[in-house]
Amino acid sequence: AQSVTQPDIHITVSEGASLELRCNYSYGATPYLFWYVQSPGQGLQLLLKYFSGDTLVQGIKGFEAEFKRSQSSFNLRKPSVHWSDAAEYFCAVGPSAAGNKLTFGGGTRVLVKP
Amino acid sequence: GAVVSQHPSWVICKSGTSVKIECRSLDFQATTMFWYRQFPKQSLMLMATSNEGSKATYEQGVEKDKFLINHASLTLSTLTVTSAHPEDSSFYICSARDLKDSHHEQYFGPGTRLTVT
Repeated sequence: AQSVTQPDIHITVSEGASLELRCNYSYGATPYLFWYVQSPGQGLQLLLKYFSGDTLVQGIKGFEAEFKRSQSSFNLRKPSVHWSDAAEYFCAVGPSAAGNKLTFGGGTRVLVKP
Repeated sequence: GAVVSQHPSWVICKSGTSVKIECRSLDFQATTMFWYRQFPKQSLMLMATSNEGSKATYEQGVEKDKFLINHASLTLSTLTVTSAHPEDSSFYICSARDLKDSHHEQYFGPGTRLTVT
């Protein structure tokens, strides 16, 4: 069965500093990987996705993620965090590019200090 | 961009009553919609997959008679929580797949917060 682990429940980062959110997955075949962001009381917004090809994926809002098959990881990064990046971030894996039956990680809450 | 709406955004109901939540794809057609449940400070759990014109597929452990799903058109799916109890209080989020999108990406609604008193 597929699973996603986000080891960090909370991360606090200063505004302007870099951010890296960890995501490890377990999946028997080639995974389709996603990162979503959720602001308080809101739905999810897709930041980026990986299906195949270049393992470094660029997303919206200045985010990028790198797929490392050998480490079963898909970590999310941003070079310089803005206060508006404070939110909950979810990594997800799906059995196909269609994203059917997405399995979500537990989420990482990001707090941004001024 | 693809937009998914949910109505209502929040609802309070009394224990024993039923409440219906709507999920609409506003600018695209969706043959498949998904219903998720999210407890406070927790992740999303898939409840069921809703297919237009056919019965929904429920995940293990989800009571289909309690969470009734209807997907009567390509732009609307509804989730009815029947005989609601306080333990049903949660944040319910739907997502929809664009029929014309070759990647069939899921677009998420803003969620509905249900409180059962």
